[in-house]
Amino acid sequence: DVKVTQSSRYLVKRTGEKVFLECVQDMDHENMFWYRQDPGLGLRLIYFSYDVKMKEKGDIPEGYSVSREKKERFSLILESASTNQTSMYLCASSIDWLGYGYTFGSGTRLTVV
Amino acid sequence: QQQVKQSPQSLIVQKGGISIINCAYENTAFDYFPWYQQFPGKGPALLIAIRPDVSEKKEGRFTISFNKSAKQFSLHIMDSQPGDSATYFCAATQAGTALIFGKGTTLSVSS
Repeated sequence: DVKVTQSSRYLVKRTGEKVFLECVQDMDHENMFWYRQDPGLGLRLIYFSYDVKMKEKGDIPEGYSVSREKKERFSLILESASTNQTSMYLCASSIDWLGYGYTFGSGTRLTVV
Repeated sequence: QQQVKQSPQSLIVQKGGISIINCAYENTAFDYFPWYQQFPGKGPALLIAIRPDVSEKKEGRFTISFNKSAKQFSLHIMDSQPGDSATYFCAATQAGTALIFGKGTTLSVSS
């Protein structure tokens, strides 16, 4: 089975801190995604990547950046954390070109205080 | 702009009953419609998916019904069980784009 691992299950950070959320997949998938999940809002796409060093903005990229230096690793960066970025962050990967059966990690619950 | 609208937001069904969750979309270029199931503390997992060239797909107790002219699709869970209690997300995509998700439905199956 494909495994998508998010390095932290829970994180608490202070306002203004630079925050790194790490995601690693072990099945050589080309495509990786970052979503945030909030009650009543569903899953909203932040960024995605379809190749090493390639990235595309999703629906809510403001305040975030990403890095994909290696195929298996996709990092989400909060440049200066704010309280409205308190959320569940979900990483996913897929073998096909954008879509068609994502495998999600278990999520990182980030609290910004 | 919400491209995939999901209803209801929450649903309570008795054990053995039928659970029905509905989704509507706007973009006629969408060509893949999956449903994801999420249990507390876990990421969403693909449950079942359909393409617009068929009107129905069944896998065990789970069925997707698809109405292309109405731009709607729905998930039916037959003989609902307490173990089906979870959050369900519909989604849609087209070639070259990432999945767009509905807002989710929390299903509770009472025993």
